[in-house]
Amino acid sequence: EPEVTQTPSHQVTQMGQEVILRCVPISNHLYFYWYRQILGQKVEFLVSFYNNEISEKSEIFDDQFSVERPDGSNFTLKIRSTKLEDSAMYFCASSESGYNEQFFGPGTRLTVL
Amino acid sequence: AQSVTQLDSQVPVFEEAPVELRCNYSSSVSVYLFWYVQYPNQGLQLLLKYLSGSTLVKGINGFEAEFNKSQTSFHLRKPSVHISDTAEYFCAVSELGRRALTFGSGTRLQVQP
Repeated sequence: EPEVTQTPSHQVTQMGQEVILRCVPISNHLYFYWYRQILGQKVEFLVSFYNNEISEKSEIFDDQFSVERPDGSNFTLKIRSTKLEDSAMYFCASSESGYNEQFFGPGTRLTVL
Repeated sequence: AQSVTQLDSQVPVFEEAPVELRCNYSSSVSVYLFWYVQYPNQGLQLLLKYLSGSTLVKGINGFEAEFNKSQTSFHLRKPSVHISDTAEYFCAVSELGRRALTFGSGTRLQVQP
């Protein structure tokens, strides 16, 4: 069964450093998403991406964040200068169409020290 | 903006007993409704979804949910739970015309022998 994969499973970084979280969506899916879950809080939407551009983003997704589909298979989330409050589990998801089921990856736990 | 409330953070239940996990939402427009399950160290997996049509929706693993528009609820039920149902359950909504999912805070279902 096809699945969304994410690497790494756990990333530790120093405050102020740049991090790139990687995702491989399901191959025939066209819509891609990033969500995050701070420990003990709700899963929060960050951004959706379609046709090589951002289609929707939340207030959380400020200039520190960017997304990219550098090739035909990867989808990345970059945080330019990490803050302590960026520590969270980051989930990538993909869907075949915009209103279909979103398939989630296992997440990357980001720890900012 | 929409919001989702899951009133029960934890629900302990004995094996083979019925269970109901509650979800209420608020939105000024029509919504799509989803229940996701998260097993330890895994991503979010869709249990079921309501897009339109019959208000009683059946999903995987014997779960079902009923959409009640007047009470703005989408409670999840299972007539007889198994140990393997122990997991975190998330209710989520997306507004018509948007792709972002808004999640509730989750309910941890603990099935005891």
